[in-house]
Amino acid sequence: DSGVTQTPKHLITATGQRVTLRCSPRSGDLSVYWYQQSLDQGLQFLIQYYNGEERAKGNILERFSAQQFPDLHSELNLSSLELGDSALYFCASSPGGGDEQYFGPGTRLTVT
Amino acid sequence: ELKVEQNPLFLSMQEGKNYTIYCNYSTTSDRLYWYRQDPGKSLESLFVLLSNGAVKQEGRLMASLDTKARLSTLHITAAVHDLSATYFCAGVIAGKSTFGDGTTLTVKP
Repeated sequence: DSGVTQTPKHLITATGQRVTLRCSPRSGDLSVYWYQQSLDQGLQFLIQYYNGEERAKGNILERFSAQQFPDLHSELNLSSLELGDSALYFCASSPGGGDEQYFGPGTRLTVT
Repeated sequence: ELKVEQNPLFLSMQEGKNYTIYCNYSTTSDRLYWYRQDPGKSLESLFVLLSNGAVKQEGRLMASLDTKARLSTLHITAAVHDLSATYFCAGVIAGKSTFGDGTTLTVKP
């Protein structure tokens, strides 16, 4: 158990809908990262937050947004969902910005 | 844009043998990560390599970094079945990680 929690574990929704994925980092970790893993595109870095501020942005679509709250938990919002958004979404946390990352169990999103 | 290439993509080994997974990257990277992923599971961080010549070892796995050659290697010594998994390397520039396609390792008795 990495200490990083993600909810929900599974999510099935329809095209065009909006969902929110939640991540709670390990106690004391200030950085949160979001990743997408799919068969088509492999593992992709989406975005990083450090202590509430956006630190780095990767291949995150405009339909996706994220934030990190004062209690350091983070949410990833996915809107106008398409079939191609079906994937595993991982959250990771680290103490700072360049340390070892600890991954949560992931949320499996299925868009039908 | 950083590109990361791993090879081989699939590796079948006999227990007790040694092998190396290679990770080439296209441009200077701030750091290099190695991860392990078991089927249906999340990623586990194995190593973070920060500087040229860095070598880290954990059990039967040893990772090294040659920044001049833009190459990292993950060496497996005397493989055991428990090492069967998919291994990813990832380079980082300005906080953005780029992953290789992964090497799926199967260790057979």
